[in-house]
Amino acid sequence: DTAVSQTPKYLVTQMGNDKSIKCEQNLGHDTMYWYKQDSKKFLKIMFSYNNKELIINETVPNRFSPKSPDKAHLNLHINSLELGDSAVYFCASSQEKVMGGYTFGSGTRLTVV
Amino acid sequence: AQSVTQLGSHVSVSEGALVLLRCNYSSSVPPYLFWYVQYPNQGLQLLLKYTSAATLVKGINGFEAEFKKSETSFHLTKPSAHMSDAAEYFCAVSQGQAGTALIFGKGTTLSVSS
Repeated sequence: DTAVSQTPKYLVTQMGNDKSIKCEQNLGHDTMYWYKQDSKKFLKIMFSYNNKELIINETVPNRFSPKSPDKAHLNLHINSLELGDSAVYFCASSQEKVMGGYTFGSGTRLTVV
Repeated sequence: AQSVTQLGSHVSVSEGALVLLRCNYSSSVPPYLFWYVQYPNQGLQLLLKYTSAATLVKGINGFEAEFKKSETSFHLTKPSAHMSDAAEYFCAVSQGQAGTALIFGKGTTLSVSS
């Protein structure tokens, strides 16, 4: 039983397209996150949702829009994809007080051509 | 604001040697500290965490880390490296409150030679 699952695992698309990445967690956590890992492996927070409420919205182009239909799901929609959006996107979840740590999905490798 | 500095982007050791990966943090509040490991083309796996309990924290795969407030450090060690330890290691800090993000260091690549 995968704790945090992301789909798709790989995504290759052309510039200008719109795409979505889905994330689901079955841990009962109340907070979910999206991270971007660039080509130098640096991990940067993009968004976080706590009980469906947007908590963190870092300096990210507004082409990126997160959507949380419920506590267990956090999707990432990207409009008008650019070459620079190519990266690995990780979804994560945590419980309040993060005593148990943050649990990460296996990542979605996005390649924009 | 919180931040993490990992000293040494690349560490090379021989199999059986001591592994020491350095991490220093900056935080205006008592921090929660984590070490994660990432194997090639995989996600992030939690190695260990410090959440204000014991300062010496033991994790999986024989790793441990010691929280030293006076030095603002949380270095990761393993007495004897194994080939399977070769991976990318990330130190991270959090405020520990609901919705606060995990802030990562830039990572250290550990290479293990036979």
